[in-house]
Amino acid sequence: QSALTQPASVSGSPGQSITISCTGTSGDVGGYNYVSWYQQFPGKAPKLVIYDVNNRPSGVSNRFSGSKSGNTASLTISGLQADDEADYYCSSKTTGSTIYVFGTGTTVTAL
Amino acid sequence: EAQLLESGGDSVRPGKSLRLSCAASGFTFSIYAMAWVRQAPGKGLEWVSAISPSGDGDKRYYPDSVKGRFTISRDDSKNTLYLQMNGLRAEDTAEYYCARKVYHKFDLWGRGTMVTVSS
Repeated sequence: QSALTQPASVSGSPGQSITISCTGTSGDVGGYNYVSWYQQFPGKAPKLVIYDVNNRPSGVSNRFSGSKSGNTASLTISGLQADDEADYYCSSKTTGSTIYVFGTGTTVTAL
Repeated sequence: EAQLLESGGDSVRPGKSLRLSCAASGFTFSIYAMAWVRQAPGKGLEWVSAISPSGDGDKRYYPDSVKGRFTISRDDSKNTLYLQMNGLRAEDTAEYYCARKVYHKFDLWGRGTMVTVSS
């Protein structure tokens, strides 16, 4: 099972919106509405920011939103802030014995 | 406050065994599915194993990369999750995170414990 494909890095100016893509196949992203997104700061544990494609856990800023079209899911951060600088990983349920697959990860930088 | 705290990470030789533990607190551990996720140094996340609540039959799941070598288990009386790792390989070197699994999301993570496999 291959990892989902994400851009290595995405950057934007503070206040702008950025979008991170997560591309899989019909066997994972395209086949299930079970895409999650995780934020990870250096040396820290991941934190759930979006689940089931477009749902935010309690306490997560509404500047984070998710969507999906076909085999590609997206995470959008609106009003980019310096505090958003982190690595972001997508994840999806998948068919077969590897039940969950993660993305390759994207480093977000606020210029 | 709900928390997970991993322990048991160490530096071992290839072929050796290691058991990781994850102590849960602040929530009703027994009713939740749990999982282990690892991250090799400088790399991305990889799901390693999952276990259903005991009341759901203790079902266990593994990717092919660890199937037959790793065993996930839980002791609800101790609010603790375990990962028994046998036949360790250099490619198993990683930070190992314990995570609470709710349907198809990992909504609570521990701080991780480091496993290094090297000769």
